[in-house]
Amino acid sequence: GNSVTQMEGPVTLSEEAFLTINCTYTATGYPSLFWYVQYPGEGLQLLLKATKADDKGSNKGFEATYRKETTSFHLEKGSVQVSDSAVYFCALSNQYNFNKFYFGSGTKLNVKP
Amino acid sequence: DVKVTQSSRYLVKRTGEKVFLECVQDMDHENMFWYRQDPGLGLRLIYFSYDVKMKEKGDIPEGYSVSREKKERFSLILESASTNQTSMYLCASSLSGQNIQYFGAGTRLSVL
Repeated sequence: GNSVTQMEGPVTLSEEAFLTINCTYTATGYPSLFWYVQYPGEGLQLLLKATKADDKGSNKGFEATYRKETTSFHLEKGSVQVSDSAVYFCALSNQYNFNKFYFGSGTKLNVKP
Repeated sequence: DVKVTQSSRYLVKRTGEKVFLECVQDMDHENMFWYRQDPGLGLRLIYFSYDVKMKEKGDIPEGYSVSREKKERFSLILESASTNQTSMYLCASSLSGQNIQYFGAGTRLSVL
């Protein structure tokens, strides 16, 4: 089956700290992988994606690399800002059914000034 | 920009009421989805639709139904609301062949 596991939060960091949020997946075939972000009071927005092994997705200083050998897609940012405070969701979609996404449970990030 | 609009941000209903949650998208997307979001559980798919009048059950369809009479509109119906349906409901849409889902802002439903 398909599933996504991500680290539990909340994660609390000081401004300019390094961020890693771990995500691992189980899937049949070759899934596409995504990070979505949900700011307070809003819906989810696509942050970045990767469609095949060794691809790196990047956006707004965030990066994640699709690692097939470890079935992982960890989210990283070198220097977080207060405005990055949000809930981050890892997700996958399976090549056999683009209509369905599978989401992790979400990780809340709090960045202190 | 793709816009997915959910008609209400907050709703309070009583147990046993019939509840309608509305979602409209303006980008001619074929696929539309309803999720519920609960702390620690992430997003769980209730129903989705890949065309007008077509619907498919997701992972947790019990207690819900849907309606898609027009391409741009996808309604979630709680036939008889119960307290365990208190949750955040998120609507999403996607274009067939494009592997990205676009989300509305969500409706926070409280059933008392």
